[in-house]
Amino acid sequence: QVQLQESGPGLVKPSETLSLTCAVSGYSISSGYYWGWIRQPPGKGLEWIGSIYHSGSTYYNPSLKSRVTISVDTSKNQFSLKLSSVTAADTAVYYCISGSSIDYWGQGTLVTVSS
Amino acid sequence: QSVLTQPPSASGTPGQRVTISCSGSSSNIGSNYVYWYQQLPGTAPKLLIYRNNQRPSGVPDRFSGSKSGTSASLAISGLRSEDEADYYCAAWDDSLSGSWVFGGGTKLTVL
Repeated sequence: QVQLQESGPGLVKPSETLSLTCAVSGYSISSGYYWGWIRQPPGKGLEWIGSIYHSGSTYYNPSLKSRVTISVDTSKNQFSLKLSSVTAADTAVYYCISGSSIDYWGQGTLVTVSS
Repeated sequence: QSVLTQPPSASGTPGQRVTISCSGSSSNIGSNYVYWYQQLPGTAPKLLIYRNNQRPSGVPDRFSGSKSGTSASLAISGLRSEDEADYYCAAWDDSLSGSWVFGGGTKLTVL
């Protein structure tokens, strides 16, 4: 059973880079699967940010593509999200996800963009 | 503005059958599988239906999914109070470089 746990700063200043990490347990990232991020602004719906395959191929939401980087660290069995030039509109609960059907979700972490 | 269209709300009484619709286009629902997620208050979403009509282990058979053309539906029979949650449909979209797209979510109230 794949288990995911997000970590990272809960507060980021406008124009800075949001950085989150997702620790994976119960499965080796290098063995397969898709790994990615979804966010949910307070009181709103879900927005897919992007995914990376175990092969290294990445897919990003076209509306965020210019600001997003998702990478994998197989040595630590974790993957990361970087979102640059953040604004208040990037305030959301960020979930790390995995599986071809987005089968597995982390518990989510709230990131607030504010000075 | 979500790519997939869902009604913002739905309701039913215990024991009833309710359906939630999800409308898309040829580049998403029309050519790819549909997935449904249930989000209970204050928790992460949970996969409810995958590949249009398949249930993961542990999901009661009260939940069923269907797809026709560019639309899909989630049906919940024998409605229970614990089904009160937000429900989201999702699909892969082949436009541009490809991306997952979601519906705006439907808040189900059990009266």
